[in-house]
Amino acid sequence: ELKVEQNPLFLSMQEGKNYTIYCNYSTTSDRLYWYRQDPGKSLESLFVLLSNGAVKQEGRLMASLDTKARLSTLHITAAVHDLSATYFCGGTSYGKLTFGQGTILTVHP
Amino acid sequence: DTAVSQTPKYLVTQMGNDKSIKCEQNLGHDTMYWYKQDSKKFLKIMFSYNNKELIINETVPNRFSPKSPDKAHLNLHINSLELGDSAVYFCASSPGQSLYNEQFFGPGTRLTVL
Repeated sequence: ELKVEQNPLFLSMQEGKNYTIYCNYSTTSDRLYWYRQDPGKSLESLFVLLSNGAVKQEGRLMASLDTKARLSTLHITAAVHDLSATYFCGGTSYGKLTFGQGTILTVHP
Repeated sequence: DTAVSQTPKYLVTQMGNDKSIKCEQNLGHDTMYWYKQDSKKFLKIMFSYNNKELIINETVPNRFSPKSPDKAHLNLHINSLELGDSAVYFCASSPGQSLYNEQFFGPGTRLTVL
């Protein structure tokens, strides 16, 4: 059964700084997803990574996938307050999307 | 236009009651899902339907019964509610027959069992 682990689980960042969230998964995952959840809100899809070496960028967020290492990263560049949210990665195996525990990101001045 | 909608948004009820949550998507997707998010924000899949057929049925108590009257709707009925059922329930949908396609989530239903 696929297991997905994120770290860190809590991340407090200063505005303007860079940081990376890591997502490790235990067995082969067909795809890797990153979602964002604001407090009390639904999940918003950020990135879908389909193959080894895939890199996608949207604004200050960049996601990458290394299938050999079973690792995906979400890199935050020059953080701003609006990025404060919970970020989930998820992998798929046998048709099931399994989420990591989520990383609660707080960006402060 | 709301893509995936759920009703109600909030549901407060007593232990032992039976309740239903409704989900509708207007995206033309073939596959729909129910997820449970507990108080620690852990998200876990419960069920998946593809064109009204049950595809995934996780280890969920049989007090939970999904029903899909058509491919645009997936409802969740819960019998004999327990305190541990308190959570946020999310409906999601994805296009096509593949279960690997990107999923779009509804706003969630916060269920509180007293």
